[in-house]
Amino acid sequence: AQTVTQSQPEMSVQEAETVTLSCTYDTSESDYYLFWYKQPPSRQMILVIRQEAYKQQNATENRFSVNFQKAAKSFSLKISDSQLGDAAMYFCAYRGLRDGGATNKLIFGTGTLLAVQP
Amino acid sequence: KAGVTQTPRYLIKTRGQQVTLSCSPISGHRSVSWYQQTPGQGLQFLFEYFSETQRNKGNFPGRFSGRQFSNSRSEMNVSTLELGDSALYLCASSLAAGVPTEAFFGQGTRLTVV
Repeated sequence: AQTVTQSQPEMSVQEAETVTLSCTYDTSESDYYLFWYKQPPSRQMILVIRQEAYKQQNATENRFSVNFQKAAKSFSLKISDSQLGDAAMYFCAYRGLRDGGATNKLIFGTGTLLAVQP
Repeated sequence: KAGVTQTPRYLIKTRGQQVTLSCSPISGHRSVSWYQQTPGQGLQFLFEYFSETQRNKGNFPGRFSGRQFSNSRSEMNVSTLELGDSALYLCASSLAAGVPTEAFFGQGTRLTVV
């Protein structure tokens, strides 16, 4: 069974600084997707960034980028120029391609609570 | 375009009762997944529906059930509620199954069992 591990329950960063959130996963599949979701106090999960395992290039979305190390099964999120609005719980998630991809099931890590200090 | 709508937002039930939660996906989306979020267990997958068919099911007891209607709206039902069922229940909608589309989440239903 696939698992996702986030070893940092809480992180703190100064406004305008850079922070990296860690995520490791375990799977026997070769093709899959990885995601970072943000959950602010409003509770609504918002997709931050996604990475397809077959792509070697690391995904980037504005201030957010990932470091995807497939062999090490590591998927970290880097937030540059942190803003107060980045404060939230961040979840790493895995989506396998069982049955030719016919599932949208996400496996989540336990989350990292990010605080942004002004 | 309206987002994913979950109703009700908050619910308080008594042990032993049953509850039904509703999820209306984004217009045109045909895949709906449900998750339970608790402080102790985190986010856990309940089930997934596509075109009125359950495609995938998580490791939850039979008291948890769901269905999807022809308009893609989905409901989940929990019977014989236990204190441990208190959680935030999140619904996610996707355009289809089997394609790499984003999952859009609703704001959830906060269920408290007393």
